Amino acid sequence: NAGVTQTPKFRVLKTGQSMTLLCAQDMNHEYMYWYRQDPGMGLRLIHYSVGEGTTAKGEVPDGYNVSRLKKQNFLLGLESAAPSQTSVYFCASSYRPEVTGELFFGEGSRLTVL
Amino acid sequence: SQELEQSPQSLIVQEGKNLTINCTSSKTLYGLYWYKQKYGEGLIFLMMLQKGGEEKSHEKITAKLDEKKQQSSLHITASQPSHAGIYLCGATNRDDKIIFGKGTRLHILP
Repeated sequence: NAGVTQTPKFRVLKTGQSMTLLCAQDMNHEYMYWYRQDPGMGLRLIHYSVGEGTTAKGEVPDGYNVSRLKKQNFLLGLESAAPSQTSVYFCASSYRPEVTGELFFGEGSRLTVL
Repeated sequence: SQELEQSPQSLIVQEGKNLTINCTSSKTLYGLYWYKQKYGEGLIFLMMLQKGGEEKSHEKITAKLDEKKQQSSLHITASQPSHAGIYLCGATNRDDKIIFGKGTRLHILP
């Protein structure tokens, strides 16, 4: 079973370049989330979506854009990458987190911005 | 905005010993989650607590939510090397956001 798949798993960018991270889930989940994880900072919520066509800002949305055109995919874009965006990015999905509490996480995408 | 404080930040225990990790919220919680992350990997769901005073167990791990629903503790009995990793508490206030604390790094000495 695929679960939550993140693409790519590793990427190195130069300052100012753009890129898109793709998160795909095959569990028909409504809710999808993008987090970043930095040493000593835990997981910080970037953007999230409660269904196809919807997106909302999380705790640290600046410098990122997202889209949820299809229910199974949640894209995270960096228009002009900065070194401060060097991080490990995690995508997660859930059916109804307020009921089940369970987020299903991808394996992470490690991004380095030089 | 809501914040979650975890303590301790790091913990080293001898195999077989018990340990406790705490999570404190600045606001009353609707739901409190505990996750475990093995180093370099994604997160694995342990359990969710919603009711004040609720207690749940998963194998040798027990979590409690206080009556005021602002503090939770995670207790591991007779720790094993497989318990090593990062433990994160997460929370929601029914606004669809799920936020996390900074995590507690647990090392188990053989």
